[in-house]
Amino acid sequence: GAGVSQSPSNKVTEKGKDVELRCDPISGHTALYWYRQSLGQGLEFLIYFQGNSAPDKSGLPSDRFSAERTGGSVSTLTIQRTQQEDSAVYLCASSPGLAGNTGELFFGEGSRLTVL
Amino acid sequence: AQSVAQPEDQVNVAEGNPLTVKCTYSVSGNPYLFWYVQYPNRGLQFLLKYITGDNLVKGSYGFEAEFNKSQTSFHLKKPSALVSDSALYFCAVRLNTGGFKTIFGAGTRLFVKA
Repeated sequence: GAGVSQSPSNKVTEKGKDVELRCDPISGHTALYWYRQSLGQGLEFLIYFQGNSAPDKSGLPSDRFSAERTGGSVSTLTIQRTQQEDSAVYLCASSPGLAGNTGELFFGEGSRLTVL
Repeated sequence: AQSVAQPEDQVNVAEGNPLTVKCTYSVSGNPYLFWYVQYPNRGLQFLLKYITGDNLVKGSYGFEAEFNKSQTSFHLKKPSALVSDSALYFCAVRLNTGGFKTIFGAGTRLFVKA
């Protein structure tokens, strides 16, 4: 697509429920990143994909968080048994593959998650 | 630990005056350095980057940044601020060892007063 697309843009859920957040990167971009931005906080790195593999998942806060990417394109971030501290904006970004990667990331507009 | 620091939570400047938003980093190797801007309720937009070469890089909207290797700094500057520059600014570093993870500073909110 023309830009990075994230859905849903807003999600309100009850504590204990599972949620799935989706990211559709720019066509042809092989690198994909998930970040979390909490109110008044900076960007917290969660996980990075190169193709379908995740060389760095060191930022996932707990085993309730998981992410996958299929077909080298769409990625899904899943949060199980949500907690109130999971409330944040989840940002996805993509960038071209290694050969043409000059480093800048292209961000989606984020998915705002509110856990009641 | 590898990190990016933005020592100011907020910078206030009058319209027409020069502005500086500070960034320092602590990483190994030769990282790529970036500035991004976030307007309210929007995703982040790329402003400029330093990879190699001239220490002064120019980017979008009249912004520039100066790379200083000895001080491990990459401060964002603009000669004459506009009210429309008011936003949240993030410094970022792409680690070029063991993968291509990009880490961000905590962000600095810029207020430009008319």
